[in-house]
Amino acid sequence: DTEVTQTPKHLVMGMTNKKSLKCEQHMGHRAMYWYKQKAKKPPELMFVYSYEKLSINESVPSRFSPECPNSSLLNLHLHALQPEDSALYLCASSPRTGSYEQYFGPGTRLTVT
Amino acid sequence: GQNIDQPTEMTATEGAIVQINCTYQTSGFNGLFWYQQHAGEAPTFLSYNVLDGLEEKGRFSSFLSRSKGYSYLLLKELQMKDSASYLCAVSVVYNFNKFYFGSGTKLNVKP
Repeated sequence: DTEVTQTPKHLVMGMTNKKSLKCEQHMGHRAMYWYKQKAKKPPELMFVYSYEKLSINESVPSRFSPECPNSSLLNLHLHALQPEDSALYLCASSPRTGSYEQYFGPGTRLTVT
Repeated sequence: GQNIDQPTEMTATEGAIVQINCTYQTSGFNGLFWYQQHAGEAPTFLSYNVLDGLEEKGRFSSFLSRSKGYSYLLLKELQMKDSASYLCAVSVVYNFNKFYFGSGTKLNVKP
């Protein structure tokens, strides 16, 4: 199983809503990542979890709150988002942090109205 | 900081060979990855170079010169389905080996 799954595929939310994005992998990977990707731009790293601990926060606004309940799951909690937060949110995993290829999930297309 | 450059867009003909270049200036270089991304989809891993030289994987090959800060992805026998963006990503040895992505090269394959 070399798959990273993400739910939902699409999400439309208002600026006052609270929602969560979910990511799951069963490859035994111990590093998981959240990226944000705007149209025609490369993925931008948001957070890195290593062995279920937050290792990197790329100065992401607090309206994005990551959570890693266990080694297979990664959540991104969203609250009071802005329209400019509309983007494709990608989850990725790798065996560990290090020079390993990252496997990406299909992404969640988020629209903030 | 990290500086990774790729051409914005390229066009090639079905059946031909195309080379996509990537130049980088980074500190703590630890490896270079190539990803393919079709519009609206997730990036998929293509190849990885950490030492100088050529890595071949079927129709795809990737080359690295660490001294020159240069890599290329070579696609042979182009197919229409190869139309996609190709992202070069550099891994750096400090700070948990973050990936820094180039802006991507959009490849258009014409019949």
